[in-house]
Amino acid sequence: SQQGEEDPQALSIQEGENATMNCSYKTSINNLQWYRQNSGRGLVHLILIRSNEREKHSGRLRVTLDTSKKSSSLLITASRAADTASYFCAGSEKLVFGKGTKLTVNP
Amino acid sequence: ETGVTQSPTHLIKTRGQQVTLRCSSQSGHNTVSWYQQALGQGPQFIFQYYREEENGRGNFPPRFSGLQFPNYSSELNVNALELDDSALYLCASRQIPGGTGANVLTFGAGSRLTVL
Repeated sequence: SQQGEEDPQALSIQEGENATMNCSYKTSINNLQWYRQNSGRGLVHLILIRSNEREKHSGRLRVTLDTSKKSSSLLITASRAADTASYFCAGSEKLVFGKGTKLTVNP
Repeated sequence: ETGVTQSPTHLIKTRGQQVTLRCSSQSGHNTVSWYQQALGQGPQFIFQYYREEENGRGNFPPRFSGLQFPNYSSELNVNALELDDSALYLCASRQIPGGTGANVLTFGAGSRLTVL
């Protein structure tokens, strides 16, 4: 399935620290996307990385993709309390999501 | 008009009733997907509509049905409501095929359904 599975399920860090979350998937993909969800709201697209890319940056976000391992990671640098949210990954066409990583950034 | 809008934002139904949730896609988007998100879980894919036809479905029973209209707005209908149908229902739209932004979903804020 193109469903992404995020790891860890929960992550708690202090403001200013970096947060790393991982994503694994099972089938070939054309691209992989990361989304963020604030509590009880809709998901917001963060970043898309194509299958022929290995790394991509957007502001404080860094995404890597390893198609041989069918895995991706999302790094948020210099985290802020406002980054507290759940983060989801999904691959390609159907955009099927896993359970997400719940990130808490403590002030 | 930009963005995806959903209505109603909250509603309460009783078991056995029927519900219709509505979604207005982002301007220029021809594809809409519906997701069910139970508390503490990730969004579960219900189905996707492209050019008014269902072109993908998740593991949901036939009592979950949908429509997409020529103006790309959409409805999700759920018959014979069960307690487990209580969830946040999310609508998301995108443009297929597209350019650089292809496949990126734009989500609405969701409709929270409570079944008593």
